[in-house]
Amino acid sequence: DAGVTQSPTHLIKTRGQHVTLRCSPISGHKSVSWYQQVLGQGPQFIFQYYEKEERGRGNFPDRFSARQFPNYSSELNVNALLLGDSALYLCASSLGITLNTEAFFGQGTRLTVV
Amino acid sequence: TQLLEQSPQFLSIQEGENLTVYCNSSSVFSSLQWYRQEPGEGPVLLVTVVTGGEVKKLKRLTFQFGDARKDSSLHITAAQPGDTGLYLCAGVDSGSARQLTFGSGTQLTVLP
Repeated sequence: DAGVTQSPTHLIKTRGQHVTLRCSPISGHKSVSWYQQVLGQGPQFIFQYYEKEERGRGNFPDRFSARQFPNYSSELNVNALLLGDSALYLCASSLGITLNTEAFFGQGTRLTVV
Repeated sequence: TQLLEQSPQFLSIQEGENLTVYCNSSSVFSSLQWYRQEPGEGPVLLVTVVTGGEVKKLKRLTFQFGDARKDSSLHITAAQPGDTGLYLCAGVDSGSARQLTFGSGTQLTVLP
């Protein structure tokens, strides 16, 4: 079975542009969470989606948005990119809504804003 | 906002030495997870500790959850070069249990 897949793996954007990152969860998993990992730090929670609804949001500006599709895949959108948005963006999928069961992470999308 | 402080940030040791990584918070967590992350990869779960005072062993790795469920430690015995990597602790929030709060990570290098 495929694990969590994210695309693209690497991306370079210019300040002010918009970016869309994609995630396909493990088959059967209904929860997708997004995390931002800046170099030298641990991942920070951005969003959780479960059954196509937003169930949690971290301390990120409104430039960040996401959605989950009927097949449980998800997109993370970031508008008006800033240099500080450069990071590894991680997607995690889990079976249920809580994280008391294991969350599986994808390999991430490395976003560089220049 | 729940915060996790992880120490040390960097650790470089010789093969065969022992080490301990600490994860501390003023907040109570539902459970605490330890991950290992390789360059260019996402974090991979090593263990989840749930009960205060719980100790779990995974070969040469020993994980402990504090009695008050606010802190945790990872002890590696007789470290090997293959243990090199970024070790992350992550707390599951005690409310909705829907998000992970990560520590800043410990970059471990084991020299042969």
